[in-house]
Amino acid sequence: AQKITQTQPGMFVQEKEAVTLDCTYDTSDQSYGLFWYKQPSSGEMIFLIYQGSYDEQNATEGRYSLNFQKARKSANLVISASQLGDSAMYFCAMRERGWRSGGSNYKLTFGKGTLLTVNP
Amino acid sequence: KAGVTQTPRYLIKTRGQQVTLSCSPISGHRSVSWYQQTPGQGLQFLFEYFSETQRNKGNFPGRFSGRQFSNSRSEMNVSTLELGDSALYLCASSLEYQGRNEQFFGPGTRLTVL
Repeated sequence: AQKITQTQPGMFVQEKEAVTLDCTYDTSDQSYGLFWYKQPSSGEMIFLIYQGSYDEQNATEGRYSLNFQKARKSANLVISASQLGDSAMYFCAMRERGWRSGGSNYKLTFGKGTLLTVNP
Repeated sequence: KAGVTQTPRYLIKTRGQQVTLSCSPISGHRSVSWYQQTPGQGLQFLFEYFSETQRNKGNFPGRFSGRQFSNSRSEMNVSTLELGDSALYLCASSLEYQGRNEQFFGPGTRLTVL
């Protein structure tokens, strides 16, 4: 079963409008972290925002905010006031424990991504 | 502060050859992870190193191996290359602090196997 599901292969938004990119996750861990990354056509992965499972408030980083609904296991990314430079692939990822027991070891599991296109 | 660097950026090899990719993490970061990205499989975790020890590994064959040096620089090796190994290989480093562990990625090495 997929651990990270991004149901929107592609999204379109008009410049200056807000857009929400969906992400649902599956884990039995009580402690986990959720991340969003942006990947422009150049290929580099750019960290956008982080939400810890015990964080009571939704994370915000400038124009990015994370709508975290723990009971629903969803962690949607909201981009306000879209800009042309926001056109890129967006990945949701979850930190989960690695195969060694104990210690702070982990790996990131990524969703398939959502291709966002911002139209002028 | 310099970001994560990866060399080379582009590489063309033929089937059966082997390849070594290099990654220099952000100064002070001791954890280095490697990922393979392909159009079909997406981003897949290869392995993670911390203080020269492999802490985690993904589901890849033994042809894929890595190591980390005392200065935290890491190398990844793929032996007996197959066509399906063509991919973007991304390296990421993280500073393990207060459980956040966000990973910062390098620009990647695009490997083409002919």
